[in-house]
Amino acid sequence: AQRVTQPEKLLSVFKGAPVELKCNYSYSGSPELFWYVQYSRQRLQLLLRHISRESIKGFTADLNKGETSFHLKKPFAQEEDSAMYYCALSGRGAQKLVFGQGTRLTINP
Amino acid sequence: ETGVTQSPTHLIKTRGQQVTLRCSSQSGHNTVSWYQQALGQGPQFIFQYYREEENGRGNFPPRFSGLQFPNYSSELNVNALELDDSALYLCASSLEATHGYTFGSGTRLTVV
Repeated sequence: AQRVTQPEKLLSVFKGAPVELKCNYSYSGSPELFWYVQYSRQRLQLLLRHISRESIKGFTADLNKGETSFHLKKPFAQEEDSAMYYCALSGRGAQKLVFGQGTRLTINP
Repeated sequence: ETGVTQSPTHLIKTRGQQVTLRCSSQSGHNTVSWYQQALGQGPQFIFQYYREEENGRGNFPPRFSGLQFPNYSSELNVNALELDDSALYLCASSLEATHGYTFGSGTRLTVV
């Protein structure tokens, strides 16, 4: 079965502190992993995908196949990072995205 | 370049009624996917349309149906509405069924 688990519904950190949003997945095969973000009053948008191996807005995510995880990290949180974050997967060449329940990240000043 | 637009933004329907939601894809995109997002949950895949044909379907009953038109805009139809159909319905378009999805702002459907 394809499943994405984000164990924290809410996460609150102080500005300048490191951030880690957890994502674990279940998939038989080699999935593609993504992080989507939704800022207040904005639409859902792609933050990064594991195959790109790039850093967006200071965020990085490493795919750990042994632990079936794709945690999102940022060394120094900024207030504008406050948003809803969704981890998602798809099978290679598949049409659908399977989303986790999301983590609401709040950065306190 | 225009993004994905959905209409209406909000809708209230009575149980048992039928509803049609509309989506205009981003210019140049030929693939449209629909997702249902219940309160407090992540989006759940309903189906995808590629060049006017259904190209994958999630675990939704047949009363959820769709269409894609020659201009790649799309409709989501839901028959015999149930209270549990109350959700935010998201449309996402992409080029060639890749995952560079652009999402719309959604239609908030409330079934009473």
